[in-house]
Amino acid sequence: DTAVSQTPKYLVTQMGNDKSIKCEQNLGHDTMYWYKQDSKKFLKIMFSYNNKELIINETVPNRFSPKSPDKAHLNLHINSLELGDSAVYFCASSQDRTGYGYTFGSGTRLTVV
Amino acid sequence: SQQGEEDPQALSIQEGENATMNCSYKTSINNLQWYRQNSGRGLVHLILIRSNEREKHSGRLRVTLDTSKKSSSLLITASRAADTASYFCATAYMDTGRRALTFGSGTRLQVQP
Repeated sequence: DTAVSQTPKYLVTQMGNDKSIKCEQNLGHDTMYWYKQDSKKFLKIMFSYNNKELIINETVPNRFSPKSPDKAHLNLHINSLELGDSAVYFCASSQDRTGYGYTFGSGTRLTVV
Repeated sequence: SQQGEEDPQALSIQEGENATMNCSYKTSINNLQWYRQNSGRGLVHLILIRSNEREKHSGRLRVTLDTSKKSSSLLITASRAADTASYFCATAYMDTGRRALTFGSGTRLQVQP
């Protein structure tokens, strides 16, 4: 059984479109994260939720809006997609907000054309 | 700014040799973690070392931490072709209340059979 699952795995879309990426974890973890990995493999935190409460909101354009309907789900909605949004987006979870060991999803490769 | 930086950026060795990767960071940490990322996959947690520990072992992995130099090293002994992957260090620091791991850009390890 997949511990942290993201959908879709690949997403190709045109500039200006709105798209969503979904993430679900079945580990019973309290904390979930969205990371963006750029073409140089650098991973940058975007958002973090702990028990449905937003606890980290990095300097991310407000076109990006996370939503956590319950502690097992964290979705990412992106409005008005731009070329620079192309990247791999990773969802991760940890047991609690102390961050002792993350479990990552397999990533969503977003390509904006 | 980027917290952890790995060195070297890329490393190519023969099967059976040892691989050493280094990580430097900038601020005080609670713990430092190493992750592996196979091509096209998510990151997998390998090992965690706390700030009051100097060395830790897990199978063929050995991690050292020198908090005075703000550096860590990951040694993989008797490498195998299956160890080919990117390796990332990640730091967790709580002094600012930040509660998400900060990753470096990784070392790409190629183990030649």
